[in-house]
Amino acid sequence: GDSVTQMEGPVTLSEEAFLTINCTYTATGYPSLFWYVQYPGEGLQLLLKATKADDKGSNKGFEATYRKETTSFHLEKGSVQVSDSAVYFCALSEHTGGFKTIFGAGTRLFVKA
Amino acid sequence: DAGVIQSPRHEVTEMGQEVTLRCKPISGHDYLFWYRQTMMRGLELLIYFNNNVPIDDSGMPEDRFSAKMPNASFSTLKIQPSEPRDSAVYFCASSPPGRYEQYFGPGTRLTVT
Repeated sequence: GDSVTQMEGPVTLSEEAFLTINCTYTATGYPSLFWYVQYPGEGLQLLLKATKADDKGSNKGFEATYRKETTSFHLEKGSVQVSDSAVYFCALSEHTGGFKTIFGAGTRLFVKA
Repeated sequence: DAGVIQSPRHEVTEMGQEVTLRCKPISGHDYLFWYRQTMMRGLELLIYFNNNVPIDDSGMPEDRFSAKMPNASFSTLKIQPSEPRDSAVYFCASSPPGRYEQYFGPGTRLTVT
């Protein structure tokens, strides 16, 4: 079946460091891919998305490229801030016999000042 | 625009009591999802609706859990009787027609003592 695997956390970085959170997926169809972010005490928020191969999603300095050949959707940011501290979820969604969404386990990011 | 609205934000109840969680999705969205999040099990999909009709309730843990969507602007998740292991944060999310991203509410933190 479909699945999403993301790197285990926590990830601890200093402010202005480069961030990469790895995400790989398996899917039978052609899913859309997403990164969601969850700040403490809040619900998940859509961070960025990509709907087909080679698309790049971007938002608030974060980027991720839909790589079909490596079945990956790694999240990157060139310079993290303390305010980026949160839990990041990779997810895939597709309509195959229903609305299917698979979330990764989440990666907690701590950014130190 | 108002996002997904959930009430109550916090609920503390005693074992054996009935608990009702409420959700108002974003206007115009045709999918509604109920999730449960715990440290041990992460984010779990309980049930989802399309145009007010339950489509997949395979994630509902037991017969103690039930969900309804009487109209496009309101859904409830009921637990009767509640047990301490039901303690979790319950999220409602909605999705617009033809799109795959989900918009989450702030969640209801349920504590069953």
